[in-house]
Amino acid sequence: DAMVIQNPRYQVTQFGKPVTLSCSQTLNHNVMYWYQQKSSQAPKLLFHYYDKDFNNEADTPDNFQSRRPNTSFCFLDIRSPGLGDAAMYLCATSRGVGPLNTGELFFGEGSRLTVL
Amino acid sequence: AQSVTQPDIHITVSEGASLELRCNYSYGATPYLFWYVQSPGQGLQLLLKYFSGDTLVQGIKGFEAEFKRSQSSFNLRKPSVHWSDAAEYFCVLNTNAGKSTFGDGTTLTVKP
Repeated sequence: DAMVIQNPRYQVTQFGKPVTLSCSQTLNHNVMYWYQQKSSQAPKLLFHYYDKDFNNEADTPDNFQSRRPNTSFCFLDIRSPGLGDAAMYLCATSRGVGPLNTGELFFGEGSRLTVL
Repeated sequence: AQSVTQPDIHITVSEGASLELRCNYSYGATPYLFWYVQSPGQGLQLLLKYFSGDTLVQGIKGFEAEFKRSQSSFNLRKPSVHWSDAAEYFCVLNTNAGKSTFGDGTTLTVKP
């Protein structure tokens, strides 16, 4: 029944060791988002894909990259994790613009990243 | 530019008591408004949403919210809180083609 699935739920990595988080969706939504959420804070948008078009937020560090090989999957790559990158990473989807779009976000359960 | 303000960072209520979480927004037209709930270590779950029409919207888990254009508010209410309602609550605004704007969240603690 799960519609947005994130793996792994928990990831432990060492300082500077690359990490990849994955997200898959069964909703066939056009838009996929990656958010970073630190403790007691609101989610912060890193970037999103509208279909194959990548949209990076201006303040997202170059250390964060993303890939969307097809409609269903999206990956978040952290090339050299620092201690400050420890956070919950949330994947979300939405339908995109058009008469059916209301901006409603559908979230996965998140991937908790620990950096040692 | 659009913005969302949740004035209460932390609220504590007794189990069985009523609850109101405040949300104020700034946007030039009628926005799409949402309330999401996040339990510790989990993703965000949609409680309810407002697009147009009836300004009192019903959601899951017994929650409701009222859109008041004159006050630019979309407050979340529940008549009787359960211990399982303890969580973080986010008010979110979207303008269709734009990005979602999150409030800073309100942490709800429920006393037995």
